[in-house]
Amino acid sequence: DAKTTQPPSMDCAEGRAANLPCNHSTISGNEYVYWYRQIHSQGPQYIIHGLKNNETNEMASLIITEDRKSSTLILPHATLRDTAVYYCIVRRAAGNKLTFGGGTRVLVKP
Amino acid sequence: GAGVSQSPSNKVTEKGKDVELRCDPISGHTALYWYRQSLGQGLEFLIYFQGNSAPDKSGLPSDRFSAERTGGSVSTLTIQRTQQEDSAVYLCASSLGGAGAAYNEQFFGPGTRLTVL
Repeated sequence: DAKTTQPPSMDCAEGRAANLPCNHSTISGNEYVYWYRQIHSQGPQYIIHGLKNNETNEMASLIITEDRKSSTLILPHATLRDTAVYYCIVRRAAGNKLTFGGGTRVLVKP
Repeated sequence: GAGVSQSPSNKVTEKGKDVELRCDPISGHTALYWYRQSLGQGLEFLIYFQGNSAPDKSGLPSDRFSAERTGGSVSTLTIQRTQQEDSAVYLCASSLGGAGAAYNEQFFGPGTRLTVL
């Protein structure tokens, strides 16, 4: 599975949009982009995934560039409860394990 | 419905002892995964089950680690002759399984925090 690169940390103001970038320049055509987050002392939580098209659900939006070499997770209105480590993962549809990198530690400030 | 559950939530043991960690996946999920997270480290894949078979054991760090799954449901991760470096949070996840991204969303349990003294 392709490797991803994320900034180690970022701060965000409560109520503002948080834009989390991820680079996956070696992504293959059959690999999806997944986002998970891990709130302190909890197990990881699935957020969203996508292949080519932008995706939106109740938690977030995922914007994937046309060449698929990078993506951005958008939390539209960050709350204090969104403080967590966010992981961008690339994986084949039929793949099994998730390969977690370092993630981005997001701190939402009042 | 109920999520993935793990027991015990915390386990303190002495070096050299054996420990068993249990995972109850979401009902109907055929795929089950074990990961571990050492203090300040990322999540590390250990083993993957599809049904009762383990097609990918590549993450098990040594032969002291083993896992089994019975009845396509509950899984037990066993660590023999524990060492201090085994101290970590052991996380279990399950998914519907099958091909296609829609089936591969993994749902994680709360983890078992293992401390080896």
